[in-house]
Amino acid sequence: QQPVQSPQAVILREGEDAVINCSSSKALYSVHWYRQKHGEAPVFLMILLKGGEQKGHDKISASFNEKKQQSSLYLTASQLSYSGTYFCGTEINNFNKFYFGSGTKLNVKP
Amino acid sequence: SQTIHQWPATLVQPVGSPLSLECTVEGTSNPNLYWYRQAAGRGLQLLFYSVGIGQISSEVPQNLSASRPQDRQFILSSKKLLLSDSGFYLCAWSVGEGYNEQFFGPGTRLTVL
Repeated sequence: QQPVQSPQAVILREGEDAVINCSSSKALYSVHWYRQKHGEAPVFLMILLKGGEQKGHDKISASFNEKKQQSSLYLTASQLSYSGTYFCGTEINNFNKFYFGSGTKLNVKP
Repeated sequence: SQTIHQWPATLVQPVGSPLSLECTVEGTSNPNLYWYRQAAGRGLQLLFYSVGIGQISSEVPQNLSASRPQDRQFILSSKKLLLSDSGFYLCAWSVGEGYNEQFFGPGTRLTVL
């Protein structure tokens, strides 16, 4: 049930771009993206619903390919504040139950 | 505004001792409530979720249990802790359908020795 995230870790320089992928073996109802700083609780980034939509705010956007059961998070012109671990959470049947991936650790360096 | 509280913030317990972690939500009614566990450097593992008072769904039966005695209170318990129970325990809430975001509490860091 748990989605698979890739890559496991990314190191970037400020201003570089990154893509984080999340794939599921089950049909998805929605995909959530969160970022967690070390020792803190995860913080919500965005939700994508069944229907293959794309969303974004600031320089972080995401897409959801319903047919491929995949979602991707795009970080453009990364900033130091983007560092952290990114998790995708997948909802399969709209039963308010979520399964999270193992996370992608992003390290943005000056 | 809505807030979520968890306590204690940190806890060190011996193997075989009982456990009780509490989570309360303010500023909303009939929330969906969740317990997650995060082992060091790992992802979030869903333990329990609840869509209403007395309604608990378990994902990881093991030696943990959860209860929801009041609408905005969610308790995680164990009668006998194992070493493998160590981790960062996060409570979260959401409202309505699953396409609404989850709000996470500050977490409880549990170390079982």
